[in-house]
Amino acid sequence: DVKVTQSSRYLVKRTGEKVFLECVQDMDHENMFWYRQDPGLGLRLIYFSYDVKMKEKGDIPEGYSVSREKKERFSLILESASTNQTSMYLCASRNRGDNQPQHFGDGTRLSIL
Amino acid sequence: GESVGLHLPTLSVQEGDNSIINCAYSNSASDYFIWYKQESGKGPQFIIDIRSNMDKRQGQRVTVLLNKTVKHLSLQIAATQPGDSAVYFCAEKAGGSYIPTFGRGTSLIVHP
Repeated sequence: DVKVTQSSRYLVKRTGEKVFLECVQDMDHENMFWYRQDPGLGLRLIYFSYDVKMKEKGDIPEGYSVSREKKERFSLILESASTNQTSMYLCASRNRGDNQPQHFGDGTRLSIL
Repeated sequence: GESVGLHLPTLSVQEGDNSIINCAYSNSASDYFIWYKQESGKGPQFIIDIRSNMDKRQGQRVTVLLNKTVKHLSLQIAATQPGDSAVYFCAEKAGGSYIPTFGRGTSLIVHP
């Protein structure tokens, strides 16, 4: 089974802090993704990476950056956390190829005070 | 904490009934479709997928039906159990794209 592990289930940070969310997958997947999930808004794509050291903006990249130095690890960085970044953050990975599903981690519920 | 199930369409069924969850997709270029289950406090879990060259695919207690003419996808769950209570999302993806488009989801509530 595919295992996507997010380093924290719950995280509380303060406004202005730099926040790191880590994600590791164990299936040698090329593609990795960061989403945020908010009630009534569904899943919104922040950034994705189709291979090591590659990154592409998603629909809502403002206020975020990412790092993919190793194939198995994809980090999401909140440069200066703000209260409107309080959300559930979900990491996903998928194998390359057209007909491959994304596999998700269990999420990090981040609260910015 | 807040539930992802807020503000979503809800389907309530009795334990043992069959459930049908529907999804309309928008992109006629989509050729790959996926169903996910998300339980409270967890990430979406892959259930089943279907390619556009098929109109039906069966898994364990689940069946996905695809009607490309009307751009409609459904997930049928046989003999629904309380453990099936969750939010169910469909996703569509066009060939050559890395990114699926997710539906908003349907909350399934199974009453014992």
